[in-house]
Amino acid sequence: DIVVNQSPDSLAVSLGERATINCKSSQSVLYSSNNKDYLAWYQQKPGQPPKLLIYWASTRESGVPDRFSGSGSETDFTLTISSLQAEDVAVYYCQQYYSTPWTFGQGTRVEIK
Amino acid sequence: QITLKESGPTLVEPTQTLTLTCTFSGFSISTSGVGVGWIRQPPGKALEWLALIYWDDDKRYSSSLKSRLTITKDTSKNQVVLTLTNIDPVDTATYYCAYSPSGTGGASDIWGQGTLVTVSS
Repeated sequence: DIVVNQSPDSLAVSLGERATINCKSSQSVLYSSNNKDYLAWYQQKPGQPPKLLIYWASTRESGVPDRFSGSGSETDFTLTISSLQAEDVAVYYCQQYYSTPWTFGQGTRVEIK
Repeated sequence: QITLKESGPTLVEPTQTLTLTCTFSGFSISTSGVGVGWIRQPPGKALEWLALIYWDDDKRYSSSLKSRLTITKDTSKNQVVLTLTNIDPVDTATYYCAYSPSGTGGASDIWGQGTLVTVSS
């Protein structure tokens, strides 16, 4: 199975400042035939199901604010919130869907400093 | 509009078999590239991927739970069913079903609200 690790486990950022979450997979999730990384980012707020933010490592889901961006390739990925808003307080998960069993990172809790 | 809803027992006794149903609307699971999966989340813990069934009936499972899980689909009823045998208190969790379209490569872009299952005698 591909192991996915996130860092940090939690972070506190001031409103309007940048938040950066890292995700590392134990093997490449880059599919050579289409040059796409099978890595997604989800946001989960308390009492709600996860919400897809980013897929293929950097493609923003429809309706997701452009302050959210994804980058990276093969084994190392980053989710960046360029200017943290109060409504962004949540737990963020990365997930590889390159090969089954699909696997999630352990989550990163983002809070306001 | 695509929606999914999980249903099943809220309380299950240890050693029993848990059966959960995901009833969906707004898409057909017969459409090429479509998958419906199950993910669970123990209280206060991380997401755990469980199983996935594709439009062509290809089925994939968690490595650690493979021997206990079965996923099936009923195209006529727009349902996907997950069974988990020999259930244990560590299986207490909110269970989600989610839609994975080909357009995202499989990332789950629509989730149900989840159903909390408690395992206790």
